[in-house]
Amino acid sequence: DTGVSQDPRHKITKRGQNVTFRCDPISEHNRLYWYRQTLGQGPEFLTYFQNEAQLEKSRLLSDRFSAERPKGSFSTLEIQRTEQGDSAMYLCASSPRDRGHAKNIQYFGAGTRLSVL
Amino acid sequence: GEDVEQSLFLSVREGDSSVINCTYTDSSSTYLYWYKQEPGAGLQLLTYIFSNMDMKQDQRLTVLLNKKDKHLSLRIADTQTGDSAIYFCAVHGSSNTGKLIFGQGTTLQVKP
Repeated sequence: DTGVSQDPRHKITKRGQNVTFRCDPISEHNRLYWYRQTLGQGPEFLTYFQNEAQLEKSRLLSDRFSAERPKGSFSTLEIQRTEQGDSAMYLCASSPRDRGHAKNIQYFGAGTRLSVL
Repeated sequence: GEDVEQSLFLSVREGDSSVINCTYTDSSSTYLYWYKQEPGAGLQLLTYIFSNMDMKQDQRLTVLLNKKDKHLSLRIADTQTGDSAIYFCAVHGSSNTGKLIFGQGTTLQVKP
């Protein structure tokens, strides 16, 4: 088990460009989460999936952001028309398939650091 | 909404104990968590405590939970320079939804 994998680790883009990040959860984890972390702050929840269903979205997830998990395995987070305020670390987490409360225990990837110039 | 507060900075000498504190507003979270983040890295799950427990010990780590005061603490015994990092307290949002609410993080500096 290699843990939660995120790609790329770093992304530098120009304002107005679109970017897409990928997250591969721990094998057989059916829940997948996206968070954003700006400098000096704790992570802030963006959205989460159970299998392929997107169950919750934060108000932080503006219409320029879209997340998908088409086959219930990996997920992508796309930001359209990036702005300088989108510069942050984007973290992905997954939690196990479990009928008990352990299904909420989240394991994080190393993150994708986005810099918008 | 749910709010989680932590002090921002703690400095200790190597070998001393460190105590990192956290307060929260919503007591419905079934689990409460401590994560560690080293520079430029993701979050590492350190430990967690079930809400019906008062204390959990795991090697050098002791978690204390005071539900009445909505206070969570993490004690690190015999603190080492490798413990220098940012420590985040996290609880679930109301109604135990999947999302986690994090504190701002406490930077632990360990001096040799």
